[in-house]
Amino acid sequence: LAKTTQPVSMDSYEGQEVNITCSHNNIATNDYITWYQQFPSQGPRFIIQGYKTKVTNEVASLFIPADRKSSTLSLPRVSLSDTAVYYCLVGVGGFKTIFGAGTRLFVKA
Amino acid sequence: GAVVSQHPSRVICKSGTSVKIECRSLDFQATTMFWYRQFPKQSLMLMATSNEGSKATYEQGVEKDKFLINHASLTLSTLTVTSAHPEDSSFYICSASRLGGGELYNEQFFGPGTRLTVL
Repeated sequence: LAKTTQPVSMDSYEGQEVNITCSHNNIATNDYITWYQQFPSQGPRFIIQGYKTKVTNEVASLFIPADRKSSTLSLPRVSLSDTAVYYCLVGVGGFKTIFGAGTRLFVKA
Repeated sequence: GAVVSQHPSRVICKSGTSVKIECRSLDFQATTMFWYRQFPKQSLMLMATSNEGSKATYEQGVEKDKFLINHASLTLSTLTVTSAHPEDSSFYICSASRLGGGELYNEQFFGPGTRLTVL
């Protein structure tokens, strides 16, 4: 299973763009990259998924370089409600994935 | 769509008793369900993987006789914590992978979690 490494924590201010990078050096050919958000005492919530290049949805963008050994989650114009833990997962559908430590994002007013 | 529910949302029990937690996929069929445990300020730790109609696969260090998992249908998996002790107090989260996958090839849909407190 591909192991992921993320910064432990990040601070930001409301309205700023936040980029969280995840390292996954031993990603396999079939692996997808998925990002989740988790608030305290809640289950993780899906944010975005990609395989290569760039993916964008209504809440975030995901940038994946050609070698796929890392990925960057971009959150445009964060608000206080974006304060949460963000997890980067690498894996294949239906098969187990291992959560890394995640990145604790704290958005200040 | 793709909603996963858990019941109960929180439970308090006495040491030595057993507790059952249900995980349901409400609007889709789940080929695989996963059970996680999360301690305060820590990440989710995978406990076991269960496929409908077959025995669960437990992660190393997870006692299968203590954490009984049943996946009797494509929409229901249960986790029973047997002879619970205070150290089993934790936040238990299930997730389900959708049959067929669709666009999002590796999307897991997570339940809201169950807070277990053992006195």
